[in-house]
Formats: sequence, C-alpha cells, structure tokens
Amino acid sequence: ETGVTQTPRHLVMGMTNKKSLKCEQHLGHNAMYWYKQSAKKPLELMFVYSLEERVENNSVPSRFSPECPNSSHLFLHLHTLQPEDSALYLCASSQMGGTGELFFGEGSRLTVL
Amino acid sequence: GESVGLHLPTLSVQEGDNSIINCAYSNSASDYFIWYKQESGKGPQFIIDIRSNMDKRQGQRVTVLLNKTVKHLSLQIAATQPGDSAVYFCAESRNNNDMRFGAGTRLTVKP
Repeated sequence: ETGVTQTPRHLVMGMTNKKSLKCEQHLGHNAMYWYKQSAKKPLELMFVYSLEERVENNSVPSRFSPECPNSSHLFLHLHTLQPEDSALYLCASSQMGGTGELFFGEGSRLTVL
Repeated sequence: GESVGLHLPTLSVQEGDNSIINCAYSNSASDYFIWYKQESGKGPQFIIDIRSNMDKRQGQRVTVLLNKTVKHLSLQIAATQPGDSAVYFCAESRNNNDMRFGAGTRLTVKP
C-alpha cells in the first residue's frame, strides 16, 4: 500500500460508545495530523505529532484522545461524543523540514447519533 | 485574526472553458501556498504549490498566481474537464509549519 490509509471509512456511533479511528502512512514521513472537516467550514487542525511527540493540540475537547505509537500510525480515540462531532476526520502526514506539503488520507466519515 | 479565505463558495463553468479560483490571505508572513483538490468522498489532493519568492508557477493545465501586494492567490485551470469538478482549497503556511486552509470553492463543470 502507498500513501495514507484511514480506517474505518464510515462509522456510526451513539453518544455513549467508545470507538477509534486509525491512520497509517507509508510515506516515511515524520509528522502526522488529525483534521476535522465539517460542512462549509475550513479544515480544522486538531492534533499534530512530530517524531511521535504531540506538538499541537488546538483546544480539542478531551472526548477526543489521540495516540501516536510510532511514526507510521496515528489513532483518534472517541468517547462520549456529541452529535455536533459528526464530520469527516482526515489524517495527514508530512516530512518536517521538507516542503510542508500535507498528504491526506481519504477520511473517516463519523456520524454520532 | 489572520485567516485564509476564498472569494466565492461556488463556481460553474462550461467544459472546455478556463476556470479561475481565487483566494485571499491576510498573513503577510506566509511563505508557502498550496492548492488542494477534494473530490466527493475523497481526501484533499495536492495540485500545485508556490513559494513567496515567486509570482507564478505552472503545472499541467494549472497555473498558480501569487500577488503578495494584495495578498491574493489564484488557481487557473485551462480547458476545464468534467473530472475537474471538485472542491478546491487554498492553504498557507509559514516556515513549513501551521498550514491553514480556506473554506473551499466548489467547481462544477457543465458538459
């Protein structure tokens, strides 16, 4: 596989469920990101990991918990979400010190009931 | 606050015509700009980039123009095709960090 792979592509969960989104990059990059994409809004940066260390947390509620076990994998753990958290969650990777270009996955479409 | 934004949320063009998608930015310190294309059900894909020391860059059927004086970025698509229908985002960053995105313009190509 090449590029950035996200699973699952679609997820429906209740407000009391616990679920996780997974991202894997095969590009040899050293930085990974979670973005939230809601309708008619700019992409919102949620978390940034560089060399497996979290370097940015953009005031994201604690019901979203990221995990980066190594430079190729990134998770977003979800717990007690709200209906307004329904969105497309995009993972991206880049090479710190490179051009700054982000390579995105296809996204995980989350619906919270 | 500073932001990246697009002038128009939607653009409709006839197949074969040229398309121009505009973007305004307000951070004069931004030194790197990217245009992304996002098709329905997919993640954003890189189209073309430009650094602040340039004012024009050309790719295959696409040209990006940067006007630092008025903080304006545009994407020109030549001979627009149905496969070009998508949402286009501009993004800006400074020192290869903190990339920020505009809201996007939806391009529709009419046959």
